Amino acid sequence: DAKTTQPPSMDCAEGRAANLPCNHSTISGNEYVYWYRQIHSQGPQYIIHGLKNNETNEMASLIITEDRKSSTLILPHATLRDTAVYYCIVRPHSGNTPLVFGKGTRLSVIA
Amino acid sequence: GAGVSQSPSNKVTEKGKDVELRCDPISGHTALYWYRQRLGQGLEFLIYFQGNSAPDKSGLPSDRFSAERTGESVSTLTIQRTQQEDSAVYLCASSLRQGTGNTIYFGEGSWLTVV
Repeated sequence: DAKTTQPPSMDCAEGRAANLPCNHSTISGNEYVYWYRQIHSQGPQYIIHGLKNNETNEMASLIITEDRKSSTLILPHATLRDTAVYYCIVRPHSGNTPLVFGKGTRLSVIA
Repeated sequence: GAGVSQSPSNKVTEKGKDVELRCDPISGHTALYWYRQRLGQGLEFLIYFQGNSAPDKSGLPSDRFSAERTGESVSTLTIQRTQQEDSAVYLCASSLRQGTGNTIYFGEGSWLTVV
């Protein structure tokens, strides 16, 4: 079972920042937080991951609370092409453990 | 190739027939995963290969499903005696074996329709 809780859906105006929350209150010390997204009819796309520090890449920023029990994915300037289902997943630090997907958040970016 | 490659991209088969789906992982990736996603549903883990270790088959839904991988290369997912409930997109993914934070990359999937 997924160890994360996400809202089922969110809307965001085009050009605005999209802030997607995720709760992972039972996260273990050796587990990373991963974010993926799935655009309709495509395979899941990796976005970003982090352990305890905030992370930023060309796609998004990941803010992890100090107690690591929740995190927020930030898309700084959402576009219509960011409309997708976003998955927050926790996964052990090492090895190649399979990802366990929950239901994610369906983000709709509105013009 | 640059990414995970899957074939066929689309397959329509008659109920009761066997099907084979192929996955070419990213070159050098030692771990390979198969997932299934039924229409409008979430991703279900099926099976996982890591190098020469015994595969983790814990997600296979029935003995009609099997998968093979030769070394650290191509994998084939086989579904025998297909049923209508097998209709789904079958997604393959791979990752590089390294110490920490191994990112998993997905292919675009093979869409299977059983009629």
